[in-house]
Amino acid sequence: GQNIDQPTEMTATEGAIVQINCTYQTSGFNGLFWYQQHAGEAPTFLSYNVLDGLEEKGRFSSFLSRSKGYSYLLLKELQMKDSASYLCAYLDSNYQLIWGAGTKLIIKP
Amino acid sequence: DGGITQSPKYLFRKEGQNVTLSCEQNLNHDAMYWYRQDPGQGLRLIYYSQIVNDFQKGDIAEGYSVSREKKESFPLTVTSAQKNPTAFYLCASQGGLTNTGELFFGEGSRLTVL
Repeated sequence: GQNIDQPTEMTATEGAIVQINCTYQTSGFNGLFWYQQHAGEAPTFLSYNVLDGLEEKGRFSSFLSRSKGYSYLLLKELQMKDSASYLCAYLDSNYQLIWGAGTKLIIKP
Repeated sequence: DGGITQSPKYLFRKEGQNVTLSCEQNLNHDAMYWYRQDPGQGLRLIYYSQIVNDFQKGDIAEGYSVSREKKESFPLTVTSAQKNPTAFYLCASQGGLTNTGELFFGEGSRLTVL
């Protein structure tokens, strides 16, 4: 089946750190993506994890545990421009992307 | 610059009318996708095409049609049979020598039915 879950909304303070979790259940898995989407705009690619562990890319890091069906996106030194929705999606056994509903991140000064 | 272009960005339609959304890419990607996005929901796949002259239904194909006559182009027609067409439509492409499955999105088309 196809099941992927992430929180609907999170709030954080400028300059702080926030972790956005994503859990999934699938019989076939070929990697997990994180995308950022500002309101009314197209999603833009942030990260791709296919092996367990942490991938760091500047202020953003993404973690994957395949055995737990779990990923998180870590955002450090938050800036106001980080206010956006963050979408996680996994590649299933047919290499089709299955999308979560997205987490709306609100950054407060 | 290489990229993927959708048009129009905003479109208004009366009930009972068909409309066609354009999607063009010059990334030389083989695969192209159409998604629909509604508030509070994940992206839902309408149609996809992995090669010219071939396309497959996604999860919510009813009321939509597509064609793939050229590698660069994958237009989506929203027909009058689509009962709730007001939504944000995203086109994406995938492929290339460094293909990790990453999708490249157009800027989206927002369709409103009056």
